[in-house]
Amino acid sequence: NAGVTQTPKFQVLKTGQSMTLQCAQDMNHNSMYWYRQDPGMGLRLIYYSASEGTTDKGEVPNGYNVSRLNKREFSLRLESAAPSQTSVYFCASNKGSTNEKLFFGSGTQLSVL
Amino acid sequence: RKEVEQDPGPFNVPEGATVAFNCTYSNSASQSFFWYRQDCRKEPKLLMSVYSSGNEDGRFTAQLNRASQYISLLIRDSKLSDSATYLCVVNWVAGNQFYFGTGTSLTVIP
Repeated sequence: NAGVTQTPKFQVLKTGQSMTLQCAQDMNHNSMYWYRQDPGMGLRLIYYSASEGTTDKGEVPNGYNVSRLNKREFSLRLESAAPSQTSVYFCASNKGSTNEKLFFGSGTQLSVL
Repeated sequence: RKEVEQDPGPFNVPEGATVAFNCTYSNSASQSFFWYRQDCRKEPKLLMSVYSSGNEDGRFTAQLNRASQYISLLIRDSKLSDSATYLCVVNWVAGNQFYFGTGTSLTVIP
């Protein structure tokens, strides 16, 4: 099983450019999440989708949009990238039940110049 | 106040040492607790869940104190391969949101 697959692994953008980070899971999980990780800040939740067809804001949603395309896929879009969005982005998923652990993708290193 | 707080370390310990990490959480309604391990530039991976009665997995022991709202991780007989960042994670059932501590860095020295 591939688990959680994220693309791309690395990306460099100029300020103002847009891009979409893709995430797909093959574990039939209900819930999917997007986190960003910055030095000294830990992982912070950007958006999550508790189930297909629903999305909710997390702790740091400003400057991002998401789409839960189907049960497998959950994409994160930066409409106008800013240097403050330079970070490592992780997609994660789980079954959505209590005590269910998170499975993570391998991450996207994004630099905005 | 952060939802989950950890001492960032770094902890530098010799091989064979015992080391303990603590983590505190702010929401008394938190339901699930985990320790994740993260290697440099890699994704976090589950080390162990933390149960109310405490649990052990080989050299690793996790404890939960709901009254004081803290979680601990004890690593015995440290190995070089234990060098990593250890993340404390707390789940609130409402919204199924997970909150991460900033992580505690461990380096095991030969």
